[in-house]
Amino acid sequence: EVQLVESGGGLVKPGGSLRLSCAASGFTFSSYSMNWVRQAPGKGLEWVSSISSSSSYIYYADSVKGRFTISRDNAKNSLYLQMNSLRAEDTAVYYCAREGRLRIFDYWGQGTLVTVSS
Amino acid sequence: AIRMTQSPSSLSASTGDRVTITCRASQGISSYLAWYQQKPGKAPKLLIYAASTLQSGVPSRFSGSGSGTDFTLTISCLQSEDFATYYCQQYYSYPPGFGPGTKVDIK
Repeated sequence: EVQLVESGGGLVKPGGSLRLSCAASGFTFSSYSMNWVRQAPGKGLEWVSSISSSSSYIYYADSVKGRFTISRDNAKNSLYLQMNSLRAEDTAVYYCAREGRLRIFDYWGQGTLVTVSS
Repeated sequence: AIRMTQSPSSLSASTGDRVTITCRASQGISSYLAWYQQKPGKAPKLLIYAASTLQSGVPSRFSGSGSGTDFTLTISCLQSEDFATYYCQQYYSYPPGFGPGTKVDIK
């Protein structure tokens, strides 16, 4: 059974940093591209970032480019999102999502809440 | 970036009803469109990809159609477990973008 479990969310002040993790199991992690998708409270879904299976290709939404860094450790079956210079508008539930086919998200974690507030 | 719109933004329906949700892309995306269902407090679930291909395990009462810029998601006979918010998503190009969602609630 495919499982994705996010962790690392919490309350952080504007300008602060946070590192999210996603632990994957139930599939060959190193064979799949992975993504982060976020959802602000009461709002819709926003794609944040993606990383290819071997980390060769990395993409970011314009809204986070230069502030967020996606990475992965295939030996640990883990995906990460380093978030710096956080803003109030980054407040959201952050989901880790497997890319089963080209940019299609076939499995999602339960999400981790990031709140940016003073 | 390609912009996705959905209509209606919300609808009220009864169990057994036929429901249709429309999604439109700001430019042609061929059939590179997926549909997701999200229930409150839960992660989204993939329903349909390639505009009309049902994801494994998804009931056949869900169907999708369209290509180019206009797409539809149809639920042929609404069940109680189908009350949720539905999002379309284009994956034709980066950034992959979602529509604003359509909330289906109980009449």
